[in-house]
Amino acid sequence: GAVVSQHPSWVICKSGTSVKIECRSLDFQATTMFWYRQFPKQSLMLMATSNEGSKATYEQGVEKDKFLINHASLTLSTLTVTSAHPEDSSFYICSARPSGRGYEQYFGPGTRLTVT
Amino acid sequence: AQSVTQPDIHITVSEGASLELRCNYSYGATPYLFWYVQSPGQGLQLLLKYFSGDTLVQGIKGFEAEFKRSQSSFNLRKPSVHWSDAAEYFCAVGKDYKLSFGAGTTVTVRA
Repeated sequence: GAVVSQHPSWVICKSGTSVKIECRSLDFQATTMFWYRQFPKQSLMLMATSNEGSKATYEQGVEKDKFLINHASLTLSTLTVTSAHPEDSSFYICSARPSGRGYEQYFGPGTRLTVT
Repeated sequence: AQSVTQPDIHITVSEGASLELRCNYSYGATPYLFWYVQSPGQGLQLLLKYFSGDTLVQGIKGFEAEFKRSQSSFNLRKPSVHWSDAAEYFCAVGKDYKLSFGAGTTVTVRA
């Protein structure tokens, strides 16, 4: 149980276009989902926290207009990278927290974004 | 602000040998501490966590970690490493239900 999926697993897009990444909790409901960014051989950096039915909370330094997050249901959150540029190329990871479960989080396998 | 340091970027260990991964944290209050493992193509998996109580914590896959407040450390250990333990390991500290991760340690297991 407690499986989180991400789609797509990898995507290549042209500079200036937008790309959407989906994060789904497959067998549990998640009122909270987190989005992380991971650079090669580096740590996961928390970008934002999304709560179902409300606006996402972005970490300091993260551009909310560039990284649009929508958490429309208890099993789905999406991250849209708008007007992507090569510097947005990275590994994006989501995690989902079952409702009322404190620090318990389950991570998706990640999405590799390459902007050309 | 809380932070986590993993001093070792890369560790190579022989199969069957013991493994210890270091983690130091900086946090004013009693920390919530975690160890995760990341294997290629898979999401991060929780190995173990420490919130309070017994400072020696047992986790999955034969891992254990010891919380030492005096040293601000939460080192991960395994007595005998298997080839399948080759992966990236992350220490994390929790605050307000968010996690801050260390830079990770890559473990290579040689036959």
